[in-house]
Amino acid sequence: DAGVIQSPRHEVTEMGQEVTLRCKPISGHNSLFWYRQTMMRGLELLIYFNNNVPIDDSGMPEDRFSAKMPNASFSTLKIQPSEPRDSAVYFCASSYGGLWTEAFFGQGTRLTVV
Amino acid sequence: GQQVMQIPQYQHVQEGEDFTTYCNSSTTLSNIQWYKQRPGGHPVFLIQLVKSGEVKKQKRLTFQFGEAKKNSSLHITATQTTDVGTYFCAGNEAGANNLFFGTGTRLTVIP
Repeated sequence: DAGVIQSPRHEVTEMGQEVTLRCKPISGHNSLFWYRQTMMRGLELLIYFNNNVPIDDSGMPEDRFSAKMPNASFSTLKIQPSEPRDSAVYFCASSYGGLWTEAFFGQGTRLTVV
Repeated sequence: GQQVMQIPQYQHVQEGEDFTTYCNSSTTLSNIQWYKQRPGGHPVFLIQLVKSGEVKKQKRLTFQFGEAKKNSSLHITATQTTDVGTYFCAGNEAGANNLFFGTGTRLTVIP
């Protein structure tokens, strides 16, 4: 298995632009997580899907952030409009069985908003 | 709100020395997980602890969950250069659907 696949690996965008991050979980996994990592705030869980349904989005910073999981093999995290403080590494992870099973992380997308 | 703190923030050790990182929660945890992240890499799951007072070992790594389920530790015996990275704990309260990561301990091993 190729593992969790995220794209793009790096994204540089101007403030105010829409940014879409993509994730393909490991086949057979039924849980998907989006995380954000910054020096200031560390690693934060943004949203968690189980069987394509959002279970908890309390970590989503504000309405500019939205996430979707239209099917078991694809998820997106969208930021619209983007701001410089959104600059971070965004990780997608998947697991079989929810928050309390081994999660496998993708390589991450390094987002820079200028 | 729930907070998970780790100490120390940084640790430099000579190769062969032992290393310990401590994770402390402001609330009682249901479970705790440990991850390792190499520089420039992504977090990699190491282990999960569930029971009060639980101790688990993985080769040179020993993980412990406190009796009150509010703290945990990771101990590495005889560190090697391959142990370099940041070690994170992550936990949540019982019934909660979120996961709070600790602040991490960055380990440097000097050859």
